[in-house]
Amino acid sequence: EDQVTQSPEALRLQEGESSSLNCSYTVSGLRGLFWYRQDPGKGPEFLFTLYSAGEEKEKERLKATLTKKESFLHITAPKPEDSATYLCAVTSGSARQLTFGSGTQLTVLP
Amino acid sequence: DTAVSQTPKYLVTQMGNDKSIKCEQNLGHDTMYWYKQDSKKFLKIMFSYNNKELIINETVPNRFSPKSPDKAHLNLHINSLELGDSAVYFCASRELGGGHGELFFGEGSRLTVL
Repeated sequence: EDQVTQSPEALRLQEGESSSLNCSYTVSGLRGLFWYRQDPGKGPEFLFTLYSAGEEKEKERLKATLTKKESFLHITAPKPEDSATYLCAVTSGSARQLTFGSGTQLTVLP
Repeated sequence: DTAVSQTPKYLVTQMGNDKSIKCEQNLGHDTMYWYKQDSKKFLKIMFSYNNKELIINETVPNRFSPKSPDKAHLNLHINSLELGDSAVYFCASRELGGGHGELFFGEGSRLTVL
């Protein structure tokens, strides 16, 4: 069974203070790793797909990277509007549907 | 224009009642899903439909019954509601051939069972 663990559960940063969120996974044949952003009272919003170790994707202040066991979401010089819960999910050869982690709740203070 | 819309957004009801949540997507996608998000924020898939045909049915009590009248709609009916059914239910869709993980979610329907 696919498993996804995200850390930390919560992270508070000052505006401009860069940091990283971690997503470690255990799957049988990774097909894809996905990052989503979820704002309070809203549905998750797709950010990135990563397919193979060494792959990187960037969008504004966010950069996602992938190794064989984990993914990092790097946030450079965050702004208060980056505050949200960031969810990581995987699909694998044995399970085509998404398996989600419980998320990291990011708060960026002005 | 809302891409995936769910109604109602909030639902408060008594144990034992029956309720429905409706979902519509205007993206032209072929595949639709229902997910449940519990208090610990875990999102778990419940059902998946591809062009009105059920393709994923996770271990969900048979009190939950999805219905897809056409490929743009996927409704969720819940019979004999229990306290443990309280959660946020999300509808989602993706296009055929799209990555299995690139989903478009609705805003969620928060169900509270008293």
